[in-house]
Amino acid sequence: DTGVSQNPRHKITKRGQNVTFRCDPISEHNRLYWYRQTLGQGPEFLTYFQNEAQLEKSRLLSDRFSAERPKGSFSTLEIQRTEQGDSAMYLCASSSPWGGETQYFGPGTRLLVL
Amino acid sequence: GESVGLHLPTLSVQEGDNSIINCAYSNSASDYFIWYKQESGKGPQFIIDIRSNMDKRQGQRVTVLLNKTVKHLSLQIAATQPGDSAVYFCAEKVQAGTALIFGKGTTLSVSS
Repeated sequence: DTGVSQNPRHKITKRGQNVTFRCDPISEHNRLYWYRQTLGQGPEFLTYFQNEAQLEKSRLLSDRFSAERPKGSFSTLEIQRTEQGDSAMYLCASSSPWGGETQYFGPGTRLLVL
Repeated sequence: GESVGLHLPTLSVQEGDNSIINCAYSNSASDYFIWYKQESGKGPQFIIDIRSNMDKRQGQRVTVLLNKTVKHLSLQIAATQPGDSAVYFCAEKVQAGTALIFGKGTTLSVSS
């Protein structure tokens, strides 16, 4: 499968714990995006990387959230001191520098904070 | 704020009918539009996209129409099949921006 992959697919944690999600973009896609989706809503943009540089962050990305893409390939999204309001689907997408604007999404990581 | 909205939250059609899903956008600076299909428990799946310098684009069984005058986008699905049942989202991107701005989605239900 050459699509975007995300791990884990599901995560249940207790309030106050830290969680980390991983995204592997499509090979050779240098652009990587994180979105959050709550039930019944469309995805909301969190942050964007071009290669290893984090170029844009949404106001939704509070200081408890941090994202990295150290080698310009996979990315991690960490949430510290999770809150029940963090429960959502966290989606990763990638796009090609040659393929225009199309963002291809992964299957997502569903987080439940108890 | 700037957002993309959909006219109807749900649409029910019979198998074989043509489906039309509508979307209104508010930002005249948007220059790229895209439709995604999302099945339960999965990530959004790319269907078709269109740039603002076009008013129509066709794919396999799908057509996207863009009317910049009234800021309206539609997705037409020909010969709708049960496998087309899903939530459909339109999204826009403003010129020189990176983030896609999504609406709330339309749930398409296809009965056989």
